[in-house]
Amino acid sequence: DAKTTQPPSMDCAEGRAANLPCNHSTISGNEYVYWYRQIHSQGPQYIIHGLKNNETNEMASLIITEDRKSSTLILPHATLRDTAVYYCIVRVVGTASKLTFGTGTRLQVTL
Amino acid sequence: KAGVTQTPRYLIKTRGQQVTLSCSPISGHRSVSWYQQTPGQGLQFLFEYFSETQRNKGNFPGRFSGRQFSNSRSEMNVSTLELGDSALYLCASSLGPSGGGGETQYFGPGTRLLVL
Repeated sequence: DAKTTQPPSMDCAEGRAANLPCNHSTISGNEYVYWYRQIHSQGPQYIIHGLKNNETNEMASLIITEDRKSSTLILPHATLRDTAVYYCIVRVVGTASKLTFGTGTRLQVTL
Repeated sequence: KAGVTQTPRYLIKTRGQQVTLSCSPISGHRSVSWYQQTPGQGLQFLFEYFSETQRNKGNFPGRFSGRQFSNSRSEMNVSTLELGDSALYLCASSLGPSGGGGETQYFGPGTRLLVL
C-alpha cells in the first residue's frame, strides 16, 4: 500500500471549514483513499473514501487531485467535537483488507 | 443497526497470564480484523479473518492468535503476556472481499488491556 504524508497538527476555529491535506504521491491506480478519525482513545471512526472522483457525505467532503497524488478532507463547519486525530490511508482494491495507519493529523478545534 | 461490540472493555492481567478478547461484528459483516494500538507503535494490524479463515496476518509473534466462528464473531488470544502487550486492542468488521474495493472497515470501541 502507498505511503501517505500528513501534517502532524492543525488548528481550526469552530464554525470554520477544516481542510486536512494528505500527500500520497506513490498511489497506484487501484488504490482507494480512506479517511478515519480517532477521538481520544476511542475506536477509529470511518469518515469517507474515494478512488478518483470527489466524494461528499454527511460528515465531510473528499477532494482528490486529478493526478491522485494528493487529497484534502474538508469538514465544512468544524465543531469542538471534531477535535481528533485524522488518518489518511490508501488501500489496494480487492485485497485482504489491512489498513496501514500512519501518525495522522491532530486537529484541534478552538472557540 | 448495532455497531461492532467488544468485550471486555477493560482488563488487567499480570505477566505470564493469557487473555482472550471477543468481538462481535456488525450484523451481516463476515470479515473481522484486529489491531493493536500503543503510544509508541501507533495502530498496527494483527490479523484478519473471513469465513473462519485467517486471510492476512501482521508482524506479531505467535503468542498472538485469533479465530472466527461460523456466526462471524471473533476472538483473539494473547498467551504468556508481557508488559509490552499493554495496549488498546481494536476490532473492525467489514462485509468482506467484494472484488470491487470499498471494503470499509468499522471499528469497535476497543478493549484496553493493562499488563502488570
